[in-house]
Amino acid sequence: DTGVSQDPRHKITKRGQNVTFRCDPISEHNRLYWYRQTLGQGPEFLTYFQNEAQLEKSRLLSDRFSAERPKGSFSTLEIQRTEQGDSAMYLCASSPPGVERFKTEAFFGQGTRLTVV
Amino acid sequence: KNQVEQSPQSLIILEGKNCTLQCNYTVSPFSNLRWYKQDTGRGPVSLTIMTFSENTKSNGRYTATLDADTKQSSLHITASQLSDSASYICVVSGSPGGSQGNLIFGKGTKLSVKP
Repeated sequence: DTGVSQDPRHKITKRGQNVTFRCDPISEHNRLYWYRQTLGQGPEFLTYFQNEAQLEKSRLLSDRFSAERPKGSFSTLEIQRTEQGDSAMYLCASSPPGVERFKTEAFFGQGTRLTVV
Repeated sequence: KNQVEQSPQSLIILEGKNCTLQCNYTVSPFSNLRWYKQDTGRGPVSLTIMTFSENTKSNGRYTATLDADTKQSSLHITASQLSDSASYICVVSGSPGGSQGNLIFGKGTKLSVKP
């Protein structure tokens, strides 16, 4: 499968625990995005990488959230001291270099569904 | 403020019927507009992508239109099938490197196709 891969697909954790999600983008895609999606809502932007540089972080990304993309390939999203409000689907997307600026497509992974109990 | 508004929020139609979903945006500058289909519990899948110079794009039974002057787009689904039941999300892209990493999402329209 050459699409965007996310792991795990589902995660149930107790409140207060730390969790880490992984995203493997499509090979050679230099842009990587993390989104959070709650039931019945559209995805909400969390953060954006271009290669290994984290270029933008949403205000939704509190101090308990941290994302990395150390080598410009896969990325991890860590949530520390999870709260029940963190329960959501966490989506990762990647897009290729903007050679054709107006047609850079973003491809999404299947998401990681987090349930905090 | 860059925003994407979709209507209706939800829609129920009978199998075989046509429907049209709406998207209004205030994103500036504008790069392109995409429609995604998202099945429950899955990631969004791209249906169409249009630049400012394109005013219509088809993908099978899906036809998207774009009016860059009025900043409106629509997604028309012809001869709906049960498998069309999903959320349809409008996404507008600003200039690369701009706010929100270039992609601004609507909240989606939840379509239910009934037999």
